[in-house]
Amino acid sequence: GENVEQHPSTLSVQEGDSAVIKCTYSDSASNYFPWYKQELGKRPQLIIDIRSNVGEKKDQRIAVTLNKTAKHFSLHITETQPEDSAVYFCASDTGRRALTFGSGTRLQVQP
Amino acid sequence: NAGVTQTPKFQVLKTGQSMTLQCAQDMNHNSMYWYRQDPGMGLRLIYYSASEGTTDKGEVPNGYNVSRLNKREFSLRLESAAPSQTSVYFCASSAQDRGINQPQHFGDGTRLSIL
Repeated sequence: GENVEQHPSTLSVQEGDSAVIKCTYSDSASNYFPWYKQELGKRPQLIIDIRSNVGEKKDQRIAVTLNKTAKHFSLHITETQPEDSAVYFCASDTGRRALTFGSGTRLQVQP
Repeated sequence: NAGVTQTPKFQVLKTGQSMTLQCAQDMNHNSMYWYRQDPGMGLRLIYYSASEGTTDKGEVPNGYNVSRLNKREFSLRLESAAPSQTSVYFCASSAQDRGINQPQHFGDGTRLSIL
């Protein structure tokens, strides 16, 4: 089955700096790659997603890049703010209309 | 518009007891999912239902059963609870458009402890 690896597991940045989280996937047939943000004790919430026919997508301070040849995709957060502190999960579809999630990155933005 | 609603929010069981976790969505989505989330392990798919009347196993189905009662409701049953099933359980739903994956929307979760 699909395997998704996510790095780093923890990331600490200063407010205003950029943060980058990277994921690799194993199934070359995967074509949908969402990113979720989860605050402590809350539900995961979709923040951005990308499909395999697109190499990059931006939404304000958040961007995602996809390299299908290398089978990796990354989340970029610019001008980080304390409210960006949370656990971020990448995921890829399995071709069965379900998602396989990475193990998560705990982002801490220091004021 | 409540989105995805899960009940109960918290539950404590004794080993061997059974219970059913309920999930309902009001977004007219075709597909529904059950995940479990353990510390440091992300979300793992237990079962999913691509459409009303169908269910499929995910990554960790052992010890669980599901029922897609109708388009709105998808329940998860633990027949004989074990301590290893202590976890946070999330239900999610998505609209599937001609087989193209759409974003999944999650409920608030059920925190289940098994003693």
